[in-house]
Amino acid sequence: DTGVSQDPRHKITKRGQNVTFRCDPISEHNRLYWYRQTLGQGPEFLTYFQNEAQLEKSRLLSDRFSAERPKGSFSTLEIQRTEQGDSAMYLCASSPHTGTAYEQYFGPGTRLTVT
Amino acid sequence: DQQVKQNSPSLSVQEGRISILNCDYTNSMFDYFLWYKKYPAEGPTFLISISSIKDKNEDGRFTVFLNKSAKHLSLHIVPSQPGDSAVYFCAATGGADGLTFGKGTHLIIQP
Repeated sequence: DTGVSQDPRHKITKRGQNVTFRCDPISEHNRLYWYRQTLGQGPEFLTYFQNEAQLEKSRLLSDRFSAERPKGSFSTLEIQRTEQGDSAMYLCASSPHTGTAYEQYFGPGTRLTVT
Repeated sequence: DQQVKQNSPSLSVQEGRISILNCDYTNSMFDYFLWYKKYPAEGPTFLISISSIKDKNEDGRFTVFLNKSAKHLSLHIVPSQPGDSAVYFCAATGGADGLTFGKGTHLIIQP
């Protein structure tokens, strides 16, 4: 039974470069979420997919950020023209579609450092 | 405006005693609450949850209590073990959308 996986685990990039992260959810989980976590804070919601449909976006998701889940399985999060303020841990979570239980299961995260 | 608040940044408890972590929320639309545990350099691990139709949920050493009128929940860990040392996050949601997290409480279990 594999959990949520994320790739890469660490990314160092220079300001202005584009980066892309991948998330593979638990198989058969149809909901997939992206969060960002900075030091001393809890995870902050960015966006959420049900199957391939992006259903919700936080106001934190500026137009430099785009997320896709083309076939309803893995997802990618791209950040264009990175800024130092984008340095954070990016977390992916998945959740099964089961009644009124809303537990989300998180991956290990991708730590982004923008220099 | 923080909708989920964990007012204790850290808590130190002796091994074998009870750990009580507290959480307050302000959004009346929240009806499902969760606790996560996080070790450094890892993603949060789901611990236990509770629906607003209940006031208590128990799973082994972990019990979550919900007081809807006070908009308060707490996580009890009995007995506390060294492996429980971690950061604990309270989270809330009104449905299948994103979770709203508190800032976390760093629990330290002392031998």
